[in-house]
Amino acid sequence: AQSVSQHNHHVILSEAASLELGCNYSYGGTVNLFWYVQYPGQHLQLLLKYFSGDPLVKGIKGFEAEFIKSKFSFNLRKPSVQWSDTAEYFCAVNGGYGQNFVFGPGTRLSVLP
Amino acid sequence: EAQVTQNPRYLITVTGKKLTVTCSQNMNHEYMSWYRQDPGLGLRQIYYSMNVEVTDKGDVPEGYKVSRKEKRNFPLILESPSPNQTSLYFCASSPLQGPNSPLHFGNGTRLTVT
Repeated sequence: AQSVSQHNHHVILSEAASLELGCNYSYGGTVNLFWYVQYPGQHLQLLLKYFSGDPLVKGIKGFEAEFIKSKFSFNLRKPSVQWSDTAEYFCAVNGGYGQNFVFGPGTRLSVLP
Repeated sequence: EAQVTQNPRYLITVTGKKLTVTCSQNMNHEYMSWYRQDPGLGLRQIYYSMNVEVTDKGDVPEGYKVSRKEKRNFPLILESPSPNQTSLYFCASSPLQGPNSPLHFGNGTRLTVT
């Protein structure tokens, strides 16, 4: 069965610090990978996605993620976080057409002003 | 506007009183899913549907029912709600094809069962 793990439960950073959130998945076939963000009191929104091609994908708000197939990883990065990035971040995997989505447990990011 | 619409946004009910949370999408998506979100437990999938008349259990289906009689609607039914079903619920949909296949989420339904 597919599974997704996220390395950190809660990350606390100061503004302008660099961010890297880990995501690892277990799935034997081709995967589509996603990062979602949930701001306080809101629903989940797509940050970025990987389907194929360049393993370094860029998303909204300066976020990027790198797909490393050999490590089954899809880590999220941002060079300089802002207070407004305070949110919960979810990594998700889907095996393609006809396959279910699987979410990681989420990582809460707190950015201190 | 392409969207997933859940109703109601907030619901307070009593134990045992049947309720339905509606979910509708206007994007002709094949895949729809229900999640509950609880503090410290992340998103847990309740049921999902790959297409009309096709539904499958997720991680936490106990106490819930769903139906998919038409493509756009995927209601979540609690036949006899209990306090442990107090939670934030999200519906989501996806076309499950290529670059447009991310999940689109509704705004959530906060349910309190007393």
